[in-house]
Amino acid sequence: EVQLVQSGAEVKKPGEFLKISCQGSGYSFTTHWIAWVRQMPGKGLEWMGIIYPADYETRYSPSFAGQVTISADKFINTAYLQWSRLKASDTAKYYCARHETISGVISGMDVWGQGTTVTVAS
Amino acid sequence: EIVMTQSPATLSVSPGERVALSCRASQPVDTNLAWYQQKPGQAPRLLISTASTRATGVPARFSGSGSGTDFTLTISSLQSEDFAVYYCQHYRDWPPSWTFGHGTKVEIK
Repeated sequence: EVQLVQSGAEVKKPGEFLKISCQGSGYSFTTHWIAWVRQMPGKGLEWMGIIYPADYETRYSPSFAGQVTISADKFINTAYLQWSRLKASDTAKYYCARHETISGVISGMDVWGQGTTVTVAS
Repeated sequence: EIVMTQSPATLSVSPGERVALSCRASQPVDTNLAWYQQKPGQAPRLLISTASTRATGVPARFSGSGSGTDFTLTISSLQSEDFAVYYCQHYRDWPPSWTFGHGTKVEIK
């Protein structure tokens, strides 16, 4: 079964470091881009950025560039999203998702993780 | 930046009705558009990619159409399990952009 399994919920204080993970299984992890998507409480979906696990190329939404770091370890089929200093406004659910590639174009996201809830509060 | 506008924000529908959800791009995006369904407490699910191609396992009552700036997701006969929020998303490799619309909530009338 193709799946992405994310790490568990986190409760952190403002200014703390956090790294959450997304492990893929059931497919060739290095041949699909992995995206991170934010969903703030009661709000819509926001695309944050993507990584290609084969060569670690990353692309960021301008809204999130410099705010988070996306990385991966292709040897353990895992992608990461990290914050060096969390803010209360980072409170949200974060999803990882696998991108399809259709005719060479990185297109929709066909496999999703279950989401990781991050709560940042003093 | 390409902005995706979905309308209406909320749609009240009775089971069995035909539903058409609109998504408009602020500039032409060819057919680089996907539709997703999200139910409360669940991850989104891909319904349509390349504007009109159903994803694996998606029922035939879901169809997508459009190109350029105007797109439509049609549900031919709404089932109880279809009450959810629907998002469109434009995608572009470079400059990187996978912008979501704000969603349309389909609720029971």
